Amino acid sequence: ETGVTQSPTHLIKTRGQQVTLRCSSQSGHNTVSWYQQALGQGPQFIFQYYREEENGRGNFPPRFSGLQFPNYSSELNVNALELDDSALYLCASSLKLGHPPGEQYFGPGTRLTVT
Amino acid sequence: GQQVMQIPQYQHVQEGEDFTTYCNSSTTLSNIQWYKQRPGGHPVFLIQLVKSGEVKKQKRLTFQFGEAKKNSSLHITATQTTDVGTYFCAGDSQAGTALIFGKGTTLSVSS
Repeated sequence: ETGVTQSPTHLIKTRGQQVTLRCSSQSGHNTVSWYQQALGQGPQFIFQYYREEENGRGNFPPRFSGLQFPNYSSELNVNALELDDSALYLCASSLKLGHPPGEQYFGPGTRLTVT
Repeated sequence: GQQVMQIPQYQHVQEGEDFTTYCNSSTTLSNIQWYKQRPGGHPVFLIQLVKSGEVKKQKRLTFQFGEAKKNSSLHITATQTTDVGTYFCAGDSQAGTALIFGKGTTLSVSS
């Protein structure tokens, strides 16, 4: 177990709705990254947060946004949900900031289904 | 954009046979990481390779980083049923803060 927790485990939403996913990073880790993993694919980087600031972003539209709190926990918000947003959303914490990226400690993920 | 490709996509072996998965990047990498994801689970870090030509071993697993730092391989000797899962390689993006994952190689093992 990595010590990274995510909630909820599963979620079903309707197209057009908004969703918030939560993550608590491993103790001592100040960097949090979010990934989207579609079925049969590798994790795809959404963005990274360090000290409450976005520190890098992948090829995702602005309706994907995030927050990091002083205790290093994090939220991923997705607005105007689309069917293609159905995926496993993974949060990963890391000790190392910057280049090259350090070892990622993944949480169990939130399985989002959009109908 | 930068791409990380893995082959094969699927591999089925008999228990005791060897297994190899290959990873190729479209650009030179600073480092490469390998992860294993069990069915229904989340990716778990296996190893990080940083140096050109680096070879690291973990029990039955051997990891290599190519001389040009654009390719890598994972070799498992004498597979066991506990090796079942999807193996991902991940390299750093040109921007530096992101890991770019391959699509993975799914290994199944029959006893």
